Amino acid sequence: ILNVEQSPQSLHVQEGDSTNFTCSFPSSNFYALHWYRWETAKSPEALFVMTLNGDEKKKGRISATLNTKEGYSYLYIKGSQPEDSATYLCALLNNAGNMLTFGGGTRLMVKP
Amino acid sequence: SAVISQKPSRDICQRGTSLTIQCQVDSQVTMMFWYRQQPGQSLTLIATANQGSEATYESGFVIDKFPISRPNLTFSTLTVSNMSPEDSSIYLCSVAAASDTDTQYFGPGTRLTVL
Repeated sequence: ILNVEQSPQSLHVQEGDSTNFTCSFPSSNFYALHWYRWETAKSPEALFVMTLNGDEKKKGRISATLNTKEGYSYLYIKGSQPEDSATYLCALLNNAGNMLTFGGGTRLMVKP
Repeated sequence: SAVISQKPSRDICQRGTSLTIQCQVDSQVTMMFWYRQQPGQSLTLIATANQGSEATYESGFVIDKFPISRPNLTFSTLTVSNMSPEDSSIYLCSVAAASDTDTQYFGPGTRLTVL
């Protein structure tokens, strides 16, 4: 059974601030780590899929890193905008590739 | 990526009744899944919907409570049976394509409230 923890649970920032949050896992016995962005009343949107220790991915102002040796992944948002307000979910895909285990999410609110 | 729709988007139901949620994908996919998120909890996998055979349920979920159908490669249903207030959740369908099984794409969810 995979365990995933996310912190903080929620975060309020001002527009223009940069921010980051953490996904931690006690075991690196998984195939891939996923980050999703979930806005209210919309579908969770896949942001990144990361498989290798040291992986770094970037999409616009959002980037993520993976450290399987120390058991964490960071998601960074540079210059937060109100439209970044959403819940950010981290999930581990098992080695069989058929099950995602999700953390509790970090709810980000960006104030204009 | 795949475009996924779910019906209904939300519903309010009385305890003891059943609700069937539909998931439609715009392309044929290998794998279809059903998740739920109870208030304040993580998204949790209920089962994998298998085409032409019985669904594969995760620990804590049983077929009698959550019967699933998958008649073809683009459609699946999840029924929440004999509902109680504890079944109030967001239910999401997700899919993975044969060409990219690493990534799951999600539907917009069905928000269920049981009174």
